[in-house]
Amino acid sequence: AQSVTQLGSHVSVSEGALVLLRCNYSSSVPPYLFWYVQYPNQGLQLLLKYTTGATLVKGINGFEAEFKKSETSFHLTKPSAHMSDAAEYFCAVKAGGSYIPTFGRGTSLIVHP
Amino acid sequence: NAGVMQNPRHLVRRRGQEARLRCSPMKGHSHVYWYRQLPEEGLKFMVYLQKENIIDESGMPKERFSAEFPKEGPSILRIQQVVRGDSAAYFCASSPISREGEKLFFGSGTQLSVL
Repeated sequence: AQSVTQLGSHVSVSEGALVLLRCNYSSSVPPYLFWYVQYPNQGLQLLLKYTTGATLVKGINGFEAEFKKSETSFHLTKPSAHMSDAAEYFCAVKAGGSYIPTFGRGTSLIVHP
Repeated sequence: NAGVMQNPRHLVRRRGQEARLRCSPMKGHSHVYWYRQLPEEGLKFMVYLQKENIIDESGMPKERFSAEFPKEGPSILRIQQVVRGDSAAYFCASSPISREGEKLFFGSGTQLSVL
């Protein structure tokens, strides 16, 4: 079985501040991990993904995430928030031969000027 | 290459009516996934289809809901005798192949409102 927990339904930061969105997963086998972003009235689009290899993954728009097996985490970070980063962010996991990603509940990122 | 197309964007139905949601995957994609999104609940998987086959419908309610992906034409999610609890955003996603590391391409969704 696979599951994802995103801590914090809302995260508020000031423009220019560090962004940290938390994601913990549960999987009995090595997982494939994804972060998607959803802008208002749009579908989800992929930010980045971890499959194998390097545990620090860089994505679009300056975001990156680090796979930490010992902590079962895949937190998303960005050094400096922009107003345009305001959106809903979803962590997802695929594991154990499943072709169906399981999504977390999402974290709404609010960026203050 | 056009993205995943969903229509209509907004659909209003009265209780007891039928709702039909359409999804045209990206060109060359033969795998379609349907998800339902409710506020504060994230995306819930409903059904996974390939051309002419339902692969996994474990997230689909047993009654009133059905899905198809015919050889020709879009994938259809059909909800019969809608109730207010069916009000949600329904998203379709597609992929070219079925592989664990493969990402999904999402449509913009259909917002279903049941009066």
